[in-house]
Amino acid sequence: GAGVSQSPSNKVTEKGKDVELRCDPISGHTALYWYRQSLGQGLEFLIYFQGNSAPDKSGLPSDRFSAERTGGSVSTLTIQRTQQEDSAVYLCASSLGGGAHNEQFFGPGTRLTVL
Amino acid sequence: KQEVTQIPAALSVPEGENLVLNCSFTDSAIYNLQWFRQDPGKGLTSLLLIQSSQREQTSGRLNASLDKSSGRSTLYIAASQPGDSATYLCAVSLGGSTLGRLYFGRGTQLTVWP
Repeated sequence: GAGVSQSPSNKVTEKGKDVELRCDPISGHTALYWYRQSLGQGLEFLIYFQGNSAPDKSGLPSDRFSAERTGGSVSTLTIQRTQQEDSAVYLCASSLGGGAHNEQFFGPGTRLTVL
Repeated sequence: KQEVTQIPAALSVPEGENLVLNCSFTDSAIYNLQWFRQDPGKGLTSLLLIQSSQREQTSGRLNASLDKSSGRSTLYIAASQPGDSATYLCAVSLGGSTLGRLYFGRGTQLTVWP
């Protein structure tokens, strides 16, 4: 079956512009996660959605970052007024349920470059 | 805060060798531990998932063990092949308020040369 998909695969933008990154989770997966992988850094958690519950936004680095999940499926991560330090690979993952015991499946990522 | 450390950071071996990658974590109250593989410019591929109640998991030439009390996991790769070259990442999940969030190590970059 289809895995997690993300678009675009690459995004180059100018400092100060807004960007939107999209994630399509595996069909039937109720939990969705966003992570960021910066050069020389490990993966860091950004935000987590589970069903209709309020998202866990505790990993978002600043108020320029926001995310939504429509209809319990597709998610969009928005970065406003991008800065050069936002350059990273943004990875989306989904899992069948939201419990900590569930296996997470990752998409290919979106590589964001802020000039 | 959960800290995950992976040793070594890089490893280069000839084809056919058996090798061990190490992962340690500071908070032993984990729900599970996952090993992932990441190829250059690609996303993460899940290799093995070990629940906290388990001691090991096997898939083909891969075997992962978990010693929760000591905060350690190892990934054993038997008869390594050039196609195994990739970065291997270890991640743990906790319960409580962090739910399914994964805490990652920085990875071990493996090169297997023919």
